[in-house]
Amino acid sequence: IAGITQAPTSQILAAGRRMTLRCTQDMRHNAMYWYRQDLGLGLRLIHYSNTAGTTGKGEVPDGYSVSRANTDDFPLTLASAVPSQTSVYFCASSESGGEDTQYFGPGTRLTVL
Amino acid sequence: AQKVTQAQTEISVVEKEDVTLDCVYETRDTTYYLFWYKQPPSGELVFLIRRNSFDEQNEISGRYSWNFQKSTSSFNFTITASQVVDSAVYFCALSEPHSSASKIIFGSGTRLSIRP
Repeated sequence: IAGITQAPTSQILAAGRRMTLRCTQDMRHNAMYWYRQDLGLGLRLIHYSNTAGTTGKGEVPDGYSVSRANTDDFPLTLASAVPSQTSVYFCASSESGGEDTQYFGPGTRLTVL
Repeated sequence: AQKVTQAQTEISVVEKEDVTLDCVYETRDTTYYLFWYKQPPSGELVFLIRRNSFDEQNEISGRYSWNFQKSTSSFNFTITASQVVDSAVYFCALSEPHSSASKIIFGSGTRLSIRP
């Protein structure tokens, strides 16, 4: 069982380019999340999905979009990347939303130049 | 509003010393959950513990122990006889299951360095 996989592992991107970070889980969890981690700021929630077909905005959603077409996949798209989106991005999932433990993928290190 | 404060940005101790990482939280809800996660130098986030607001019993798991005190809104984490492999960033987190955003709020983390 892989748990949560993220791709790519790392990416360098020119400003203005479109980029999709992929996240797949094989635990049949209902809820999935995207966080960004920046030095000194901990993890901040970008978007979440409590179940397939629904999504919601987190703390820092601007510049990002998500979709949840099925249970397993939760891609994060940067429509037009900017340098301030340089960060480490973590995908997570939990059995359901709210109080359940979230399990994290290995992360994607994104650099926008 | 939810808030998690980890006032200790960095801690450095010598191997075999005991060390306590502080976590103070704010919430208006009576039902909530607290978590600790470990992020070793390799970068992944490892779940350590989940505790609900109705269970104030302290928890011990090997060299790790957690002290939950509702009276002071604290959920501190102690490592006994620390080892170099304990070097990591540790995050405390809080969730309110009935909040609209269905999320966990993380503290900013404490970087723990264990010197041999």
